[in-house]
Amino acid sequence: GAGVSQSPSNKVTEKGKDVELRCDPISGHTALYWYRQSLGQGLEFLIYFQGNSAPDKSGLPSDRFSAERTGGSVSTLTIQRTQQEDSAVYLCASSPSALATGNEQFFGPGTRLTVL
Amino acid sequence: AQSVSQHNHHVILSEAASLELGCNYSYGGTVNLFWYVQYPGQHLQLLLKYFSGDPLVKGIKGFEAEFIKSKFSFNLRKPSVQWSDTAEYFCAVNGNNAGNMLTFGGGTRLMVKP
Repeated sequence: GAGVSQSPSNKVTEKGKDVELRCDPISGHTALYWYRQSLGQGLEFLIYFQGNSAPDKSGLPSDRFSAERTGGSVSTLTIQRTQQEDSAVYLCASSPSALATGNEQFFGPGTRLTVL
Repeated sequence: AQSVSQHNHHVILSEAASLELGCNYSYGGTVNLFWYVQYPGQHLQLLLKYFSGDPLVKGIKGFEAEFIKSKFSFNLRKPSVQWSDTAEYFCAVNGNNAGNMLTFGGGTRLMVKP
């Protein structure tokens, strides 16, 4: 594939609803990262996956956030019981490996989430 | 914990002016340093990166950055900006941590007037 793709590009939801955001990484990339870009917090790391290993969830802001990666490829970020402060652009990035120092991360276009 | 500071939040320049965007990081160990750019309506793209070796790094579109270890800095420079350089610029580091997740600065919005 050409690059990292994300869907949907925009999502508007009501407070309290659950949302799922999808990321398709570059084919062959074993590392996948989720970041959040918001007005108040800038760009912040959420979670990353390396191959089939257990993810590093150290950046998730609350237990309402979770992510999974099926078959070492596509990833879904789920936010349960959304709150207005969850409104942000959610960015996905992939890289050839998280194990090699300093690999470039390639970013997708993001999903803009608006919680009303 | 590592952190990154970009002191200039908004910069306005005229075409052909020289550019320098500041980036300072806080981390006690070996770091890898990056500058990413986000053009209007586009996704983040890598401008340049530093891992080791020559502290003066050249990237795409005439940009360069200098790693000064003693100052914990990695400032971005361009001798002559163009209108097409209008974008938001992000400095980022990873401290050889497991997973290589990036810590970003707050970003600098650059507007170049034609």
